[in-house]
This record gives sequence, C-alpha cells and structure tokens, in this order.
Amino acid sequence: DIQLTQSPSSLSASIGDRITITCRASESIRRYLNWYQQKPGKAPKLLINDVSTLQSGVPSRFSGSGSGTDFTLTISNLQPEDVATYYCQQSFETPPITFGQGTRLEIK
Amino acid sequence: QLVESGGGLVQPGGSLRLSCTTSGFRFNDYWMSWVRQAPGRGLEWVANIKQDGSEHYYVDPVKRRFIISRDNAKSSLYLDMGSLTAEDTAVYYCAREKGDFWSGDDAFDLWGQGTMVAVSS
Repeated sequence: DIQLTQSPSSLSASIGDRITITCRASESIRRYLNWYQQKPGKAPKLLINDVSTLQSGVPSRFSGSGSGTDFTLTISNLQPEDVATYYCQQSFETPPITFGQGTRLEIK
Repeated sequence: QLVESGGGLVQPGGSLRLSCTTSGFRFNDYWMSWVRQAPGRGLEWVANIKQDGSEHYYVDPVKRRFIISRDNAKSSLYLDMGSLTAEDTAVYYCAREKGDFWSGDDAFDLWGQGTMVAVSS
C-alpha cells in the first residue's frame, strides 16, 4: 500500500500569511494526488485534484504542485475561513485508496 | 446530494446496514465509495463499487466483514457491516468518485454529511 505522510501535523499562522503543507508518498504516484479541506464538524471538500487542478469555486489563493513522491499545498494570503484540517489522497495505486494523516491549520 | 442513514449504537459483534440516498446526478455513471473517520482521527477509505456493481474493493481491516452494494434503480448505495468491533466506531461518509478507479485519475468530489456508528457494550 502507498503511504502518504503529511507535514507538519499542525501549524498556526497569521491572517495574510503564505503557508505550505507537504505530502510525501512512499513511492511514485506520478501526478495522481488530491487535496481536501475539512472544517470542524463537516464533511471533507475536494479542493484540488491531479496535483494542481482547482475545483470550481475554490479561491485562487489555493494552489498545488509536485510530482512523483513530493507534493505541496500552498495557501497564499491566509483567511480566517481557511481554518480546517487538510488531507492529501492518492488514487494512483489502488486498492486501497489512501489518505495522509492530515494537517490542522489554525490562525494565530 | 448524498444523504447517509442507518448509523447508531451497536454492540461488539453486531451488524448494521448503512444507506446512502443520492439525487441530482446520474448515479449509475459513477463509482461510489464509503470513507470513515474515527473520532479525532483522519480519513480512511473503506470500500468502493463500480457503476454496475460488478467490481468492489475493500480496505484490509473490513474484508470479509463488510459488504458494499448498490441499487441503481433507487440511486442508493449500501454498506452492510458485520462482526463489528470498537475499531469500527467512526463517522461513515458516502462519497462519489469523479473519475475512473483504475485510471489513477480519481477523487471524491461529492460527500454526504456522514452517519455515526458507535460500537460499544
């Protein structure tokens, strides 16, 4: 099974900051990497698929990059509504579909 | 829209059937999955099923205990869970797969609100 390791596990940043979350795969998953946002008490929401394709309605301050085993989610100009836990997920080598352990983002 | 139901409190060793009723899209065009989240924990994919029900796959911990099925005429997805243990305690989400499971180009683009399953004596 492909393991996804996210870092950091949690972070605290200020409004307007630029933050980066990293997702590392245990082997190459080409560009089959997706990112989700989960706000407290809510279902996850797909933000980005295939490394860098923003879903409709997702603000342009969200962006993704990477390939192979190393991927990043970047949020520019951090906003209060971005407080959430973010998960990466691979769909390259399945089953099983696997998720990273999550990164909790808080506002200072 | 996806709406899960059927969760609740069940004793260890017991069984439960979850349902997911869908609307607003052509249900039989999509692979469908169940994803769970234990309290305070991350997301875990549980199982999925092909559009026509001819293929289904499971994460190892639930193999031979859970069965995923679908009724395309009713636009509904099901998860029959048996031999439940405390480790199965979680919110169970129904999720639509936007791509093809075997192509690699796949993601969960629509989620239900989840239904809570608690396994305890």
